[in-house]
Formats: sequence, C-alpha cells, structure tokens
Amino acid sequence: DTGVSQDPRHKITKRGQNVTFRCDPISEHNRLYWYRQTLGQGPEFLTYFQNEAQLEKSRLLSDRFSAERPKGSFSTLEIQRTEQGDSAMYLCASSLGENQPQHFGDGTRLSIL
Amino acid sequence: QKEVEQNSGPLSVPEGAIASLNCTYSDRVSQSFFWYRQYSGKSPELIMSIYSNGDKEDGRFTAQLNKASQYVSLLIRDSQPSDSATYLCAVNRVDSSYKLIFGSGTRLLVRP
Repeated sequence: DTGVSQDPRHKITKRGQNVTFRCDPISEHNRLYWYRQTLGQGPEFLTYFQNEAQLEKSRLLSDRFSAERPKGSFSTLEIQRTEQGDSAMYLCASSLGENQPQHFGDGTRLSIL
Repeated sequence: QKEVEQNSGPLSVPEGAIASLNCTYSDRVSQSFFWYRQYSGKSPELIMSIYSNGDKEDGRFTAQLNKASQYVSLLIRDSQPSDSATYLCAVNRVDSSYKLIFGSGTRLLVRP
C-alpha cells in the first residue's frame, strides 16, 4: 500500500494561467474524490469518480474546473484562467468502496500571484 | 447552521491528560463518522471511523457516537505533545457519492 500520491506538492502561478494537478489513488480503490481546503476550514467536496465515471460535481466547481479519470486509474484536476480565490490546498482522497474510509494524499498547495 | 459543527478551540490540556473533542451534525441519516488529524501544513490523516452507536477504542483513542443526540466525540488518553494538531470531524452524506462533510476542526494543544 503506497498511499495516495499527488503531484505537484506546490504550485505557484500568475493569475490567468492554467494549472493541472495529478492524483494517483491507492491501487485497488475504485472511488476517487477531490476536495479543496482553505485556511481555517475543513476540506470541501469538489467532485468524485467511481472508476472512470465522474458521478457528481459540487457547485463549487465552476466551469473553469475540469476533472478526468481516464481508465479509472489516476485523475487530473485542471483549473483554467486561475483567479486569486483559487488559492487553496487541493486534496485527493480514495476509498475501497461506498461508505469506506477515505484516505488523503499530501495535497497540492496552489498559490496565485 | 453548519452541517457539522466543532468548537474551533484551541483546546489546551497538559501532557498525560485526557483530551475530549466534540462534534455535532445536523443530518439525521448520516451513517458513518470519521476523525482525521491534521498537522499544520499537512493533509488530513484518518485516525478513527465509527459506524454504530457506542464506543470504539483504538489504542489511546476512543470514538463515541450517539445518533439520537447527533453527536460524535473523540477522547485521547495520555495526551502527548505530538498529539497537538487540528482534529477534523467528518460525516458522510448518504447519497451515492458518500462524500465527506467536514467540520472546521478543533485545534488541540498539549502542553509539556
């Protein structure tokens, strides 16, 4: 069990640029979740995949955000035309199935200049 | 009203004492409850899960669930300075996603 892996750990970019983050879940986990966390708050749900299907998106996920999980393995989260308000920690979690504990990766900290 | 409420703290306890962290939730049909520990600048780490009423013990940690009163608590016995962190309570939303709804966390400080 190598745990959930996220890349990069930190990303600094200028406002208006596009960024892409990657998440590799625990290998046998079919559910993959993306959350966003800002300072002093708990993580907030963004979207989730069961295998390769994206089954739910939060209204927090504006049309500038897109997520994919090709072949049901790793997932990517892309933010287009970044804004100051996008600065946050982006967390990926995976679970073995419904109602099972979710295990988080180390997160990607995004800073918008 | 937030779906999951926690006292932000900080909760300060001396080393060796019992730390008691509380959480209330508003959705009566929530099924599963989790406690995560988060050190500053790090990601949440799962420490306890509880699914049915009563107590569940794991080492120095005990989770307590009371669905009738809609609260879940975490007790940390023999608190150590290394336990100083933010503790996040999470409940799952009972729909097909089983996404987690988090509280804002309680900051725990264990004084040497």
